[in-house]
Amino acid sequence: DAGITQSPRHKVTETGTPVTLRCHQTENHRYMYWYRQDPGHGLRLIHYSYGVKDTDKGEVSDGYSVSRSKTEDFLLTLESATSSQTSVYFCAISTKNTQYFGPGTRLLVL
Amino acid sequence: DQQVKQNSPSLSVQEGRISILNCDYTNSMFDYFLWYKKYPAEGPTFLISISSIKDKNEDGRFTVFLNKSAKHLSLHIVPSQPGDSAVYFCAASWGRIQGAQKLVFGQGTRLTINP
Repeated sequence: DAGITQSPRHKVTETGTPVTLRCHQTENHRYMYWYRQDPGHGLRLIHYSYGVKDTDKGEVSDGYSVSRSKTEDFLLTLESATSSQTSVYFCAISTKNTQYFGPGTRLLVL
Repeated sequence: DQQVKQNSPSLSVQEGRISILNCDYTNSMFDYFLWYKKYPAEGPTFLISISSIKDKNEDGRFTVFLNKSAKHLSLHIVPSQPGDSAVYFCAASWGRIQGAQKLVFGQGTRLTINP
């Protein structure tokens, strides 16, 4: 258990509305990541952070933004949700060569 | 462009036998490989990893083999137990960007252990 929580755990929203997912960690890890999991694709990296206010894009960053104003919180925002963003979202932290994942947020965009 | 591939969507194995999960990759720059296990409605759980400088790593019932010339890795579970029923993902990374490790995942293989 790497002390990672995600909120909300489930969310249903409508197309065009903004959505923010929160990842919270309690162990002062420097590196944090957001992934999405979809059938047939495994997990794909959306954005990552290498420190407070330091973030960069991953493989599937279009339509997403992130912010990290303090070490423990990494926020993922969908500025205007689309049905293609219906997915399960996982946050992770890394130590040395291993990443540890949170429990996930299941998002449904109608 | 799928750099990491798990070509078997599912695998069924009898309890007590060996489970072998396979993963192929295309990027020769990958230098670290990991296996994760995932139960429904939970996050992936780290199982075992291997550096590209090794060809085998063992941890209890789990062994990972790396064949760099074939760009292939496999996870062996011996003996298989009912609690091993889950989806297994292989993942790979190369280098670091600002110290961050960017993982590339396979599509996953659903393992079912039958009593």
